[in-house]
Amino acid sequence: DAGVTQSPTHLIKTRGQHVTLRCSPISGHKSVSWYQQVLGQGPQFIFQYYEKEERGRGNFPDRFSARQFPNYSSELNVNALLLGDSALYLCASSLTGYQPQHFGDGTRLSIL
Amino acid sequence: ILNVEQSPQSLHVQEGDSTNFTCSFPSSNFYALHWYRWETAKSPEALFVMTLNGDEKKKGRISATLNTKEGYSYLYIKGSQPEDSATYLCASILFSGGYNKLIFGAGTRLAVHP
Repeated sequence: DAGVTQSPTHLIKTRGQHVTLRCSPISGHKSVSWYQQVLGQGPQFIFQYYEKEERGRGNFPDRFSARQFPNYSSELNVNALLLGDSALYLCASSLTGYQPQHFGDGTRLSIL
Repeated sequence: ILNVEQSPQSLHVQEGDSTNFTCSFPSSNFYALHWYRWETAKSPEALFVMTLNGDEKKKGRISATLNTKEGYSYLYIKGSQPEDSATYLCASILFSGGYNKLIFGAGTRLAVHP
């Protein structure tokens, strides 16, 4: 079975632009979570979706938004990009959200 | 402020040494604790899910314990091998107001030298 897949793997943007990151969960997993990871820190929780509804939200500004589609794939959108948004963005899926998270390889976002 | 703290930040041991590290988490609204191993150039891999106070889980040479009343978990590695070198992350799941929050610690970076 395919694992969690994320696209793109790398992305370079400039300040003020917006970005859309995509995630396909493991088949059968209904929960998708998004994390931001900067060097030296653990992953910071951004959102969790389950059955297309937002179930959890971390301490991120409204520039960050996400959604989950009927096939359980998900998008993370970030508007008005700032230099500080440069990070590795990880997506993880699980059956319900409480089970262990299965992570994708991440999208490396660089803001110039 | 909800923080998950891990110590030590990094650890260097010799092959064959046993080692342990700590994860401290808020004990209120606790739902579960996860341990993950994150090897360089790979994605984090789940090791354990722990929910009950006094839980003890084991997977080969790695084991973990949980104390939800005082808010800590220990991860033990017996007879460390070079392939155990990785960052070990713990994550606390808190459930409050109908919402989950998954809070990761910064990790313990383990290097096992042959």
